[in-house]
Amino acid sequence: DTEVTQTPKHLVMGMTNKKSLKCEQHMGHRAMYWYKQKAKKPPELMFVYSYEKLSINESVPSRFSPECPNSSLLNLHLHALQPEDSALYLCASSQDRLVKSSYEQYFGPGTRLTVT
Amino acid sequence: GQQLNQSPQSMFIQEGEDVSMNCTSSSIFNTWLWYKQDPGEGPVLLIALYKAGELTSNGRLTAQFGITRKDSFLNISASIPSDVGIYFCAGRMAAGNKLTFGGGTRVLVKP
Repeated sequence: DTEVTQTPKHLVMGMTNKKSLKCEQHMGHRAMYWYKQKAKKPPELMFVYSYEKLSINESVPSRFSPECPNSSLLNLHLHALQPEDSALYLCASSQDRLVKSSYEQYFGPGTRLTVT
Repeated sequence: GQQLNQSPQSMFIQEGEDVSMNCTSSSIFNTWLWYKQDPGEGPVLLIALYKAGELTSNGRLTAQFGITRKDSFLNISASIPSDVGIYFCAGRMAAGNKLTFGGGTRVLVKP
């Protein structure tokens, strides 16, 4: 099973709203990722959690706040977003152990976010 | 920063054709991954490559890890309509989990 689930599938929010995106995996993976993807572009890395600790923040604005409550869950809290933040937000996970397949990232279906 | 140049940017396929795409870089990568993304969905991992010269198949898909470790190729044999989508290469450098993505190859059906 290589399933990563994300909720909600679609989200429309105003610039003053606070919302959260959720991601879950039950593959025993210990690395989890948030990516942002604009239309016709590749995914752009935002954050990496390794063993529930934030290991990479790609200079993402503070209006995006990640959280990893446990090894299976990853949240992205959104506050005071701008219209240009509208995009597909993808979650991914990988093993993060010293085995060959640990670099294989498995993606969820994404949350389509529209900021109005 | 490191860049992956993926080509072609788009291509038209006719059912039954073999098609190829590739990624090149000026940097050395230790892992190459190939993904396919359908509209409104997340990328799906197709093939992972770990060793220079490695040739790996997954059904009608074959990918190779270039000998110089600076490039990779993906071939689709006997294409079918469901091969339509965007294909991304992704490379991982020596340390860490971070992937660098190519710009994508959009595969479309010939009208």
